[in-house]
This record gives sequence, C-alpha cells and structure tokens, in this order.
Amino acid sequence: GESVGLHLPTLSVQEGDNSIINCAYSNSASDYFIWYKQESGKGPQFIIDIRSNMDKRQGQRVTVLLNKTVKHLSLQIAATQPGDSAVYFCAENIGNQGGKLIFGQGTELSVKP
Amino acid sequence: NAGVTQTPKFRVLKTGQSMTLLCAQDMNHEYMYWYRQDPGMGLRLIHYSVGEGTTAKGEVPDGYNVSRLKKQNFLLGLESAAPSQTSVYFCASSSTSVNEAFFGQGTRLTVV
Repeated sequence: GESVGLHLPTLSVQEGDNSIINCAYSNSASDYFIWYKQESGKGPQFIIDIRSNMDKRQGQRVTVLLNKTVKHLSLQIAATQPGDSAVYFCAENIGNQGGKLIFGQGTELSVKP
Repeated sequence: NAGVTQTPKFRVLKTGQSMTLLCAQDMNHEYMYWYRQDPGMGLRLIHYSVGEGTTAKGEVPDGYNVSRLKKQNFLLGLESAAPSQTSVYFCASSSTSVNEAFFGQGTRLTVV
C-alpha cells in the first residue's frame, strides 16, 4: 500500500561527489518517465526524460537509467554542486491511461560545501 | 513567453466557501493537469485534460471539479472548501503524453 508521511527521504552528499537518486514505479504500462527538480517555493522544473524503449539517457551532468524488469528508475548527478540542492521527483506517464502523469514521493538532496 | 500562469498565487478561504483557480498556458499544449502538494509529499494528480472539452479524474479528484472550455485554460473549482484542501496547487501542461510537462509557480490555498 501507499506509505504516507511528512518526511521525504533525504540524500546528503559532499560537493563534487556523484549523487544517485532512486525511484520505484508501479505500473508496467508506463511508457514515459521524467525527472523533475523542485526548489523551495517554486514549481517543478524538468531535468531529463526517458521513454520506455530506452534504458539509459544522458544529459549535461545527469544520467537517467531505466530498469523495466524491476520497475526502477534512477537519476545520477555528476560532480554535485550546492545549486543541485532541491527535492527531486520522478514521474511516470501511464500509457494505457491516456496521459495520466503520476509523481513519486520525492527525495530531498542536500549538498554540503 | 509566459508559459504556464496560475491565478491567484495566494488565497485564504473560509470553510464552505467556493473558488476557482485559473491556469493559462500559451504554448498551444493539448494536455493540462492539476496537482496538489502537501508538506513533505509529492504531487498528487487531481484532474487532467487531454484536449479542449475533455477532463478526466486523477488520483484525488473528490471535492474538486474542472473545466477545459478553451484549449489554453484549465479551471479548478472547489465548490465547498474544507480545511483538508489546504495545500499548494500546481498546474502543468504538455504537448503530448510523452513530452515534458511545464509547471506554473503554484497557488497556496489555506482553508480556515
């Protein structure tokens, strides 16, 4: 069942280290996945996306990995910077439900200088 | 290019009052979404629309209604506000179901 809580999972990393944020999704019909970054008081901002026919996609300093076998998505941030501190959400578009975009709980990334 | 604009940015309602949140996008997007975000939680989908004149229920639709009379606008209505509807509301739009969704800056609603 769904867990409900007031505390987001947190990840604390040292500046310059690599960060890995994980996300599990539940629907095998999901065909599109997006990672968003949300800073305090702002709306989510797009980071990177991946379609279900791919298992890896790279952007600038970010890489998304998709493992459909275990329904797992990860976001890797290289050389993490203080400006990367934010809450990161994965979202899945459930293909057989015509555009339903569902978000995961989120992970708070804290970068120590 | 304004992107996605939400009106108002802040609002305080008394229990039982009604209000409408307006979302406007200028990107000619087909898909529009309304989410709510509570402290320490992710975004939960309230309702969404896959085109002008269409609406569909999301994860938490109860207590809300929506309308998409014009392609560029997606309205979220609360007919009788309850304290449980105190939240930050985000609107988003996307061109297709497999393209990124762009978000507005949010509406902070408090129901007392």
